[in-house]
Amino acid sequence: KNQVEQSPQSLIILEGKNCTLQCNYTVSPFSNLRWYKQDTGRGPVSLTIMTFSENTKSNGRYTATLDADTKQSSLHITASQLSDSASYICVVSATAGTALIFGKGTTLSVSS
Amino acid sequence: GAVVSQHPSRVICKSGTSVKIECRSLDFQATTMFWYRQFPKKSLMLMATSNEGSKATYEQGVEKDKFLINHASLTLSTLTVTSAHPEDSSFYICSARRDSSYNEQFFGPGTRLTVL
Repeated sequence: KNQVEQSPQSLIILEGKNCTLQCNYTVSPFSNLRWYKQDTGRGPVSLTIMTFSENTKSNGRYTATLDADTKQSSLHITASQLSDSASYICVVSATAGTALIFGKGTTLSVSS
Repeated sequence: GAVVSQHPSRVICKSGTSVKIECRSLDFQATTMFWYRQFPKKSLMLMATSNEGSKATYEQGVEKDKFLINHASLTLSTLTVTSAHPEDSSFYICSARRDSSYNEQFFGPGTRLTVL
């Protein structure tokens, strides 16, 4: 069964600190993996998207890694800001063009 | 990134009325758009796939006569919630797929529907 699991479910960190969010998937055949940021009451916004041949991709203070062998991905946030408070969703596509498989997200709260 | 808009952003209606939500891809053509529903603190649930010029494909358990989808052009898909009831209250999000090596989906900002 195609599944995407994220951990932790929620996380609270102090402003300026770094954090890493985890994503494990059992989707096959794998096409690509995406990380989205969703603010409360808003639609998801794409942070990174990677295919199996890409090990790491950065977008500003966000860096995603992908290990296609172990089927794991991580999203590292550097020097967190209050505006980073949101839900971070890991999404995997089984085959290009097919429906996306969503993780339940990690809720990040950055406090001052 | 590509821009997808939704209108309205919020709507409150009486039970039994119908509500139309528009999803537009502003800077690219999308032959395929998707409609999702999201409950508080839950993940997005795919409701249907909207294909330009043809009938939408609905996910199991989603009533096609309840949630009417029209994808009349390459930049516009509409979702009409017919005879809305309080249990239809939810956050509805659309996405548009841009043809590329990633076939990336770009999400709209969402529509908050409240049925009284």
